[in-house]
Amino acid sequence: AAGVIQSPRHLIKEKRETATLKCYPIPRHDTVYWYQQGPGQDPQFLISFYEKMQSDKGSIPDRFSAQQFSDYHSELNMSSLELGDSALYFCASSLGLEETQYFGPGTRLLVL
Amino acid sequence: GENVEQHPSTLSVQEGDSAVIKCTYSDSASNYFPWYKQELGKRPQLIIDIRSNVGEKKDQRIAVTLNKTAKHFSLHITETQPEDSAVYFCAASRGGGADGLTFGKGTHLIIQP
Repeated sequence: AAGVIQSPRHLIKEKRETATLKCYPIPRHDTVYWYQQGPGQDPQFLISFYEKMQSDKGSIPDRFSAQQFSDYHSELNMSSLELGDSALYFCASSLGLEETQYFGPGTRLLVL
Repeated sequence: GENVEQHPSTLSVQEGDSAVIKCTYSDSASNYFPWYKQELGKRPQLIIDIRSNVGEKKDQRIAVTLNKTAKHFSLHITETQPEDSAVYFCAASRGGGADGLTFGKGTHLIIQP
């Protein structure tokens, strides 16, 4: 079965640079969630979108923004990167407003 | 906001024995409680979930119980196998509105051969 696709899988950036992470949900899924997971930590919810509208907001820094496009894929834009932004970034998707979230393989971001 | 506490942080059991992981939550409006298994560097994988209108749910060797009054839910794994070794996260959300999950800190389950 098709799963959530994230790209790139690995990304290395310098401090103060920008990064864009992409997420392609499971086919027919119209809800997307973004999570940040630091080393040895639990995933922290950043933001979610349903039908291209922001739905819920968590601990997303002001330096980050995200959107969902007409084909339901989503992009997380990160600016003025800091060392502390180094983490695994997971995207998850669900069908409509169903609670069950399926996670993608993640993007590992390293900020030097 | 929601706060989820999870215990223990590390659990070591003999292969074939049972493992129990416990979580408590703070938001009485939460009504969806999933459990995820995560291997090192991999994605969280949903293993079982329960909604507030159900007290217990079972899927083969895995079961989850929910006590809404006490705001407490638990994961039970029976007949543990080496492949059960991983980090397990409990989570909670209000559900039904594309709500983000609030996770516990995780339990590192070690299955001793």
